[in-house]
Formats: sequence, C-alpha cells, structure tokens
Amino acid sequence: RKEVEQDPGPFNVPEGATVAFNCTYSNSASQSFFWYRQDCRKEPKLLMSVYSSGNEDGRFTAQLNRASQYISLLIRDSKLSDSATYLCVVNWTGKSTFGDGTTLTVKP
Amino acid sequence: DGGITQSPKYLFRKEGQNVTLSCEQNLNHDAMYWYRQDPGQGLRLIYYSQIVNDFQKGDIAEGYSVSREKKESFPLTVTSAQKNPTAFYLCASRDEGSRAQPQHFGDGTRLSIL
Repeated sequence: RKEVEQDPGPFNVPEGATVAFNCTYSNSASQSFFWYRQDCRKEPKLLMSVYSSGNEDGRFTAQLNRASQYISLLIRDSKLSDSATYLCVVNWTGKSTFGDGTTLTVKP
Repeated sequence: DGGITQSPKYLFRKEGQNVTLSCEQNLNHDAMYWYRQDPGQGLRLIYYSQIVNDFQKGDIAEGYSVSREKKESFPLTVTSAQKNPTAFYLCASRDEGSRAQPQHFGDGTRLSIL
C-alpha cells in the first residue's frame, strides 16, 4: 500500500462546478499537509496548507481529518484556469511524500 | 528575489556518460530534495539532505549520487548505472526550522538520452 494515495481521476467538469479531491495517508505520525498544483510540464507550486480547523482561500477549501487520516480539497465555481494536476503532500520529520496527483479538466 | 535555480533546463546524455544537474537556493533553507517525475506519474524521492555534509537515500537512489558541501547547493549526478534516466528532475528546499513549512521547487531539468 502506498504511503499517500489520491483519487486517480481524471476529473472532467463544466465551468462553475464544484469538485472535491481526497487523499489518504498511512503514517499517523505525519506532521504537516499541503496541496500543490502542477501545470503540464511545469514544477509543482504550493496551493495551500491543510489544517484540522480547515483552510479557505477564495474558491478553495482544504481540510484535514487526522482521525481518519485523510485530507481533502474542495474547489467551488470551477474556472477553465483551474485545469491542472493537484498533488497532496504529507510531511514527517525530514521527509515529504507526494501523492501521484489527480488531474482536473474544466470545460466550457 | 529568493528562490531555487536549476540548470540546465534541458540536458541530453550519451550512453555510458555521467551528467550532473545543478540546484542552487538562496532561501537559507537547511533541507534540500531531489525528485524524479516520469510522464503521467507522481514525484519519487531520489535523495534528500537535511544539513550540510549529510544526505539520505530516498526511494529510488540507485544510479544517482549527490553531494552537499554547501548549504546553498545540492547537485545531482545521474550515473551510467541509471539505465533509464529520461525524466523530469525537480529540486526542492524547505525550512526545517518549522515542521509546518512546505517545500519550494525549482523549475526542473528535463533529461533525455541521445
């Protein structure tokens, strides 16, 4: 079993839709959590941090559930520019593990 | 501007040749990382270093070597033992002073075999 598992996708949604991604992790000692966005043939860029109390940035909401060991990302009112691959990242001492990514395509 | 610089952007390797990918950061980060990404796949950890003169193998270290002689620099050598080196290589750094800090990435090097 992988240490970090993501919804395989791809997700194809119309503009304006709400879409949610989940990511589960196996190490209960994990310390910090993030979502990154990666555009085709580019480096990953930090989208947002994830906290148990939830974290909202405009149309994006991230949530951590430590008891069930998963994190989620919710995108409301999807835009064409949201099309990308979304990676979840789980950190523990000295090391980070990335999920394989979920590809989102937003269509007109 | 602070950031991570990877060079070259594109690199071609001949059979039996070792090549070195450069990664330099001016963020004053203690930890640095090298990842490999194959098309349509996630990131896989090659090596990481939490402090100068120390580094650890990641999940796919075979055929690669690194050094960490300076805090700012973490070069990756792809040796001739790596039989399938074609991939997108990403370097990252992180401030280890706080456990909640994310990694910052360079814009990557694409390596291909001639």
